[in-house]
Amino acid sequence: DTGVSQNPRHKITKRGQNVTFRCDPISEHNRLYWYRQTLGQGPEFLTYFQNEAQLEKSRLLSDRFSAERPKGSFSTLEIQRTEQGDSAMYLCASSWDYTQYFGPGTRLTVL
Amino acid sequence: AQSVTQLGSHVSVSEGALVLLRCNYSSSVPPYLFWYVQYPNQGLQLLLKYTSAATLVKGINDFEAEFKKSETSFHLTKPSAHMSDAAEYFCAVSEGNNNDMRFGAGTRLTVKP
Repeated sequence: DTGVSQNPRHKITKRGQNVTFRCDPISEHNRLYWYRQTLGQGPEFLTYFQNEAQLEKSRLLSDRFSAERPKGSFSTLEIQRTEQGDSAMYLCASSWDYTQYFGPGTRLTVL
Repeated sequence: AQSVTQLGSHVSVSEGALVLLRCNYSSSVPPYLFWYVQYPNQGLQLLLKYTSAATLVKGINDFEAEFKKSETSFHLTKPSAHMSDAAEYFCAVSEGNNNDMRFGAGTRLTVKP
């Protein structure tokens, strides 16, 4: 039983560059979530997919952020024109019902 | 919208002592409640969950939590702390089909030898 995986685990980029993160959910889970976690805070909801449909987006998800889940399997989160304020841990979770299981996260540092 | 308040951003206990981490929630409907643990530079691991069945919920590593509707609380306890329990603990609330899970700010647990 493999858990949620995320790649890369760490990403360092310069301000203004684009970055893309990948999440592979637990195989039988049809729901997938993205969260952002800044230092000393709990995770904040960004967006949610049920199968391939993106059903909910937080106001935290500015126009520079886009997420996809083609074919309802893995998901990608892209941040365009990164800003220093985007530095955070980006967490992915998946679920079959109301219990979410988290991946190890991708830590983004924007210089 | 639902919300969670974790009282105490830092808790320090001695090894072998009782662990008590406090969580109060706000929800307009019967909630689902969760405790997660996070070790440095890792994701969140589910400790236990309350889903409207038994009010006393047992989780992994001897943790348990009790749902008290009258107090809108879901405090996490462990009878005897171990050094490996040192981590960040998050309480979270979900309103069932509403997939917007809200987390508290977290409580950092330190275990002294």
